[in-house]
Amino acid sequence: SQQGEEDPQALSIQEGENATMNCSYKTSINNLQWYRQNSGRGLVHLILIRSNEREKHSGRLRVTLDTSKKSSSLLITASRAADTASYFCATDMTGTASKLTFGTGTRLQVTL
Amino acid sequence: DADVTQTPRNRITKTGKRIMLECSQTKGHDRMYWYRQDPGLGLQLIYYSFDVKDINKGEISDGYSVSRQAQAKFSLSLESAIPNQTALYFCATSDAGTENTGELFFGEGSRLTVL
Repeated sequence: SQQGEEDPQALSIQEGENATMNCSYKTSINNLQWYRQNSGRGLVHLILIRSNEREKHSGRLRVTLDTSKKSSSLLITASRAADTASYFCATDMTGTASKLTFGTGTRLQVTL
Repeated sequence: DADVTQTPRNRITKTGKRIMLECSQTKGHDRMYWYRQDPGLGLQLIYYSFDVKDINKGEISDGYSVSRQAQAKFSLSLESAIPNQTALYFCATSDAGTENTGELFFGEGSRLTVL
């Protein structure tokens, strides 16, 4: 079973708009990470947020983490057509070996 | 050259055949992983290894085996391929670092079709 579930499954926006994706997970974590995947390609790491952090920024990316609700969100501001991809959250669960459990992903389509 | 290289990139085979997917890395990382991706199911962990003598089963190891030939090489085998093993397979590496699990670096994937 999946530890992380992303919402929505698919999102279509216009260039310049903001895109928000959400991730919910089930057990306590050491950290949560977001990855991007262009169609059929390898995943690329975007950002890591630790369990004691609430918000993190990287360029146009903003990630929040609410451990009480077991949820995280990824905000991409001023989206570009090149942001079109699938986005996955991945959790490093507490008390487990060093490995990540991935969610099912959000497919983002940014149109001109 | 890519830091994490997977071969072959595409393979079509028949039911019952033995298949090996290979992964090599130049990042010098001790930790290596094999994931499987099916449409709509995200990535599922097959096997992972923290060094040459440390191999661990993931969520879906049945029907698969692995070999860590060296720090830089981690191979995934399907002893007798079946159609529901048709999927996109990813190798990934990570550094021990300060995190329990830090950033994963992925290869470009091996697309396997079992007829």
